[in-house]
Formats: sequence, C-alpha cells, structure tokens
Amino acid sequence: EADIYQTPRYLVIGTGKKITLECSQTMGHDKMYWYQQDPGMELHLIHYSYGVNSTEKGDLSSESTVSRIRTEHFPLTLESARPSHTSQYLCASSDQGDSGNTIYFGEGSWLTVV
Amino acid sequence: QKEVEQDPGPLSVPEGAIVSLNCTYSNSAFQYFMWYRQYSRKGPELLMYTYSSGNKEDGRFTAQVDKSSKYISLFIRDSQPSDSATYLCAMRNTGFQKLVFGTGTRLLVSP
Repeated sequence: EADIYQTPRYLVIGTGKKITLECSQTMGHDKMYWYQQDPGMELHLIHYSYGVNSTEKGDLSSESTVSRIRTEHFPLTLESARPSHTSQYLCASSDQGDSGNTIYFGEGSWLTVV
Repeated sequence: QKEVEQDPGPLSVPEGAIVSLNCTYSNSAFQYFMWYRQYSRKGPELLMYTYSSGNKEDGRFTAQVDKSSKYISLFIRDSQPSDSATYLCAMRNTGFQKLVFGTGTRLLVSP
C-alpha cells in the first residue's frame, strides 16, 4: 500500500478563499505530482517536481501554485478559489528508478467551491 | 484528437465472465504502458505495467500491448464483484516520467 497522504479529503469553501491542499509521502520519492480529475474525465497533470526546490507546470493550465521545500511534502495552494476550481485533486509520487512507472497516488482531495 | 482513447463504459458483466478493456493511442513514441484501477472516491492504484510490445500476466490479469496497431488491452479472468471499479490506461515514452491517461472504463461485475 502506498504511503502518500492527502488532507483534507473533502473541502467545501466559499469563493475568494485561499486554500492549501496538503500532500506528504514517506517513501523518500524524489518525484511528486499533482493531477486534477473531473468526474468521468481523464487525469490531467497540473504540477510536478523532480526534487527539492524543483517545480514545473504540467500539461493543464492551472491557477494553483506548488512548493517543494522538503522531499516528503508537496502542498498545492489556490490564492483565491473560484467555482471553476471545483474538482478532485490527486497527489502522486514516484522514485527515480526506471520503474518510475510505479507512480503511487494518494486518495485525493475533493474540492467544492461555492 | 486525444493522445489516448478509452471507451468510458459502463461495461456490465456477470460474475465469472472474462473482461476485455482496451485503449488506443496515437503517439508512436510511447514505450511504457500501464493499467490503473480506481475505486470510487479513491486514488488510482497500479495493476500492471508493460514495456514495449508483448503480454504480461499477473494472477487473473493479463496485459497486452500491440505497438503496430497502437492498441493495448487488459483482460480479467473469472471477474469478481470486487473488480467493479474504473480502469485507466496510462502510457509514456522513454526518459519522460509524465504519464498520459485515458478517461477510464467503468466496470460493473454483478453477482
């Protein structure tokens, strides 16, 4: 079982609020990712990191930002939430080896902006 | 056109049936192919991965890759109600860790 944790699991907030979705992994993985998934739709990569102080934007444009100050921690922040940000956000990690095919996912954070 | 196409289903089968799930793709550079299972309100978990063409078997699951046709399959033998979930295919090219996912196929196995 993957040791990657996301909090909160479910969050309902008002428009304009600042939120941070937390993600931590205890596997010592260098690579971490944030995916966004709407119901019935494919996962879209919005941010990734190859190590401490490394962050890159993914394929899907997102107004969120991320930071990677510690290997195990990869939080995602929305400065001013909008209803269009309502979605499921999945954090993931993988190691540096060629079996970086083994990407481990957290259980997801369901965000609803009202 | 999406890089990876997957029928969203739902696919409904009786318990014990053989299930075939498929994806097609357009990028011939893809070399690594994966299948993830995702239960409702959970994150995806890796079931199988295959490098390049060929078959791979793990218990009741068999993954097949046909690179000439740009087509991958996951077969589930003796399907169980606990197999009811959404199955996502994913793939990437060499030296590039970002995965491209299909939309997922929802599978329902009835007792």
